[in-house]
Amino acid sequence: EDQVTQSPEALRLQEGESSSLNCSYTVSGLRGLFWYRQDPGKGPEFLFTLYSAGEEKEKERLKATLTKKESFLHITAPKPEDSATYLCAVQSTSGTYKYIFGTGTRLKVLA
Amino acid sequence: DAGITQSPRHKVTETGTPVTLRCHQTENHRYMYWYRQDPGHGLRLIHYSYGVKDTDKGEVSDGYSVSRSKTEDFLLTLESATSSQTSVYFCAISEKSDYGYTFGSGTRLTVV
Repeated sequence: EDQVTQSPEALRLQEGESSSLNCSYTVSGLRGLFWYRQDPGKGPEFLFTLYSAGEEKEKERLKATLTKKESFLHITAPKPEDSATYLCAVQSTSGTYKYIFGTGTRLKVLA
Repeated sequence: DAGITQSPRHKVTETGTPVTLRCHQTENHRYMYWYRQDPGHGLRLIHYSYGVKDTDKGEVSDGYSVSRSKTEDFLLTLESATSSQTSVYFCAISEKSDYGYTFGSGTRLTVV
C-alpha cells in the first residue's frame, strides 16, 4: 500500500537555527514528490516538485532533496515568517492523478 | 488565492440537509480536485475531474457527488450531510496531472 510519513510532527527552532524535515514514502513507482507550505486558515501553497532520486530544488531558505525512499526539506537560517505546516505528497505511477499526502510537520521559528 | 475561489468560506448546516460547495477557476486548467482536511488524517481526495463532465472518485467519496459542466466550475455536493462530514474542504487545480496544485482558501463546513 502506498504510504507517506512525515517527521517530526512538530518542530520548534530559534531564528537562524537550520534543520531538516523528513518525508518517507513507500510507493510502487514514484511519479513525483511534492512539497507544500500551509499557513493557518489557508490552503496549501505549492513549493517544489521532485521527480527522480538525486534531484534538488531550492527557493530562498528552503532546499528539497530526494532519494529512493525519502525526501528532505532543509531550512537554512530560518526566520519567524517560515513558521507554517509543511506538507509532503507523492504521486504513484499506479495511481492516476492521485496524490497521497502526509500529515505534515508543524514548524515554529522563534525570534 | 489567485485564479481559484471557493464559496462559501464558512457554512453551518443541519444533519440530513443537502449542501453544495463551489469551486471556480480562471486559469483554464484541465484538472480540478476536491479534498477534505481533518486533524490526524491530512488531506484526502474526495473526487477529481480531468475535463468537462469527466470525473472520478477519490479515496473518501462515499456521501459526496460532483459535477463539472464548465471548465471553470467544479461543484461538490453532500447529498445528506452527516456530522462526520464536518471538515475543511479544499478545491485544487492543476494544468497537468503531474504538476503541483494550486489550492483554494477552503470552506469550513460544520454539520450540527
